[in-house]
Amino acid sequence: ILNVEQSPQSLHVQEGDSTNFTCSFPSSNFYALHWYRWETAKSPEALFVMTLNGDEKKKGRISATLNTKEGYSYLYIKGSQPEDSATYLCAFEVGANSKLTFGKGITLSVRP
Amino acid sequence: GAVVSQHPSWVICKSGTSVKIECRSLDFQATTMFWYRQFPKQSLMLMATSNEGSKATYEQGVEKDKFLINHASLTLSTLTVTSAHPEDSSFYICSATASSGIYTEAFFGQGTRLTVV
Repeated sequence: ILNVEQSPQSLHVQEGDSTNFTCSFPSSNFYALHWYRWETAKSPEALFVMTLNGDEKKKGRISATLNTKEGYSYLYIKGSQPEDSATYLCAFEVGANSKLTFGKGITLSVRP
Repeated sequence: GAVVSQHPSWVICKSGTSVKIECRSLDFQATTMFWYRQFPKQSLMLMATSNEGSKATYEQGVEKDKFLINHASLTLSTLTVTSAHPEDSSFYICSATASSGIYTEAFFGQGTRLTVV
């Protein structure tokens, strides 16, 4: 059974604060690590797909890094805004078949 | 990005009845669709992998006779919860894959909240 852990479980920050989340996953049989942003009543939205050790990807104020050797990925949000409030999921992929193993997600709440 | 539509978004049914959930890829052809289930405070758990024109592959512990999956076309997969019981109450969500070259992206529907009373 693959274990994908995300921490913290929830986070409450003030508008303008920067924040970061951790996703840990098995370091063996790695193929890709996915990050999703999931707003209530909407579909999970893909943020990043990361495949190479040392990868660093950025989309606006959100960025992510990947360490496949030690089995973790960080997601950073710079200058959080209320619209960043959502659940952030990471998912581990063992092969090119898109079978994803998800963490429980991190719920971010940004106060105006 | 690609759009996946899932219906209904919520359903309440009586114990013993069957419920069908549809998952459609609106602007791309999905050879593979996945069905997940999420219980409160738990992660999304894969139930089955559905390939167009063939039988679904179920994860360990998921009853194939209870959760019937049909993937008759490249744009539609359905999940039928047969003889539903209160313990089947959960959040069900589908995803469909589209190839982007090196890796395959998964696009999700909005999910279905099933309550069995």
